[in-house]
Amino acid sequence: NAGVTQTPKFQVLKTGQSMTLQCAQDMNHNSMYWYRQDPGMGLRLIYYSASEGTTDKGEVPNGYNVSRLNKREFSLRLESAAPSQTSVYFCASSEEDRSSYNEQFFGPGTRLTVL
Amino acid sequence: AQSVTQLGSHVSVSEGALVLLRCNYSSSVPPYLFWYVQYPNQGLQLLLKYTSAATLVKGINGFEAEFKKSETSFHLTKPSAHMSDAAEYFCAVSETYNNNDMRFGAGTRLTVKP
Repeated sequence: NAGVTQTPKFQVLKTGQSMTLQCAQDMNHNSMYWYRQDPGMGLRLIYYSASEGTTDKGEVPNGYNVSRLNKREFSLRLESAAPSQTSVYFCASSEEDRSSYNEQFFGPGTRLTVL
Repeated sequence: AQSVTQLGSHVSVSEGALVLLRCNYSSSVPPYLFWYVQYPNQGLQLLLKYTSAATLVKGINGFEAEFKKSETSFHLTKPSAHMSDAAEYFCAVSETYNNNDMRFGAGTRLTVKP
């Protein structure tokens, strides 16, 4: 049981390049999330997906696109990377449960540097 | 929108001493509150959560937090710090059960001195 996995672990891009961050979970969760973590700012939600085939914007969606490929996978794409997108990116998943308000499970992160 | 303020970006305690990490929240409705811990080069892990059942919440690794509505606070405590507690701690607030509006604080880095 791997939980939430992310690839790659590290990436360096030049301004204007594109790339896709991959995320997969094996816990059969319906909801998945992409966050970015910047020093002194905590985590901020970029996009989320409440179920397969649906995606919604979070707090900081500009410059990103997402795809919920199937129930397991949720990818984040940077079409034209900018230095302001240098950050650590975390994927998370959770199961909606009104009775217990289930937690979000986080992947290990992708450290992205845009030069 | 809801928000969280963590007082103190760095806290240092001696091994065996009390740990107190402060969190104040702002929310227009009764909130859901969380504490997460992040060890170096890892993702976040849930320590505990408040979902209106009991105001004193016990979590993993001996941590607990008390919800105080009158003070809009949700401070994290542990009676006796251990070296393994050294990490970054994040307080978070949500106004909905489905987590889609989670807001995190800036984090508090805890150092434990031998």
